[in-house]
Amino acid sequence: AQSVTQPDIHITVSEGASLELRCNYSYGATPYLFWYVQSPGQGLQLLLKYFSGDTLVQGIKGFEAEFKRSQSSFNLRKPSVHWSDAAEYFCALDTGRRALTFGSGTRLQVQP
Amino acid sequence: NAGVTQTPKFQVLKTGQSMTLQCAQDMNHEYMSWYRQDPGMGLRLIHYSVGAGITDQGEVPNGYNVSRSTTEDFPLRLLSAAPSQTSVYFCASSYSETATNYGYTFGSGTRLTVV
Repeated sequence: AQSVTQPDIHITVSEGASLELRCNYSYGATPYLFWYVQSPGQGLQLLLKYFSGDTLVQGIKGFEAEFKRSQSSFNLRKPSVHWSDAAEYFCALDTGRRALTFGSGTRLQVQP
Repeated sequence: NAGVTQTPKFQVLKTGQSMTLQCAQDMNHEYMSWYRQDPGMGLRLIHYSVGAGITDQGEVPNGYNVSRSTTEDFPLRLLSAAPSQTSVYFCASSYSETATNYGYTFGSGTRLTVV
């Protein structure tokens, strides 16, 4: 069975600092990978997705993610965090069955 | 407006009551799925469907039933609600026109409290 692990439950960064959120997956082949963001009381917004090809994926709001097959990872990065980035971030995978397996999420706090 | 519509947005049930969470999409998406979100656990897949008449279980199917009689609708039924089913429920539909045009549209969620 597939799984997604987000090792960091909570991360605090200063505004303007760089950010990396970790995501590791377990699956026998290369899955489709996604990053979503959720603000409190809100729904899910897609940041970016990876299917194949270029392992560095650009998304919205200045986010990017790098797929590393050897490490089964899909870490999310942003060079300079803004206060509005404070939210919960979810990594997810699809094995092709057209349904998602999510990680448990990382809550990002941004200090002024 | 095109998208995934979930009703109701909020619901309080008593233990043992039954109810149906509605999910409808008007994008002619073939695939639909239900998730529950609990603090610290992310979203977990309850049931999913790859087309009308075809459903399958996800990670946490116990206590929930689904059916898919039309492409547009994918209702989630709680036959006998339990406090452990207190959660926020999200419905999603997905499309796959090409290998690189692949994504999900989520509803705005139903917040369910079982007392």
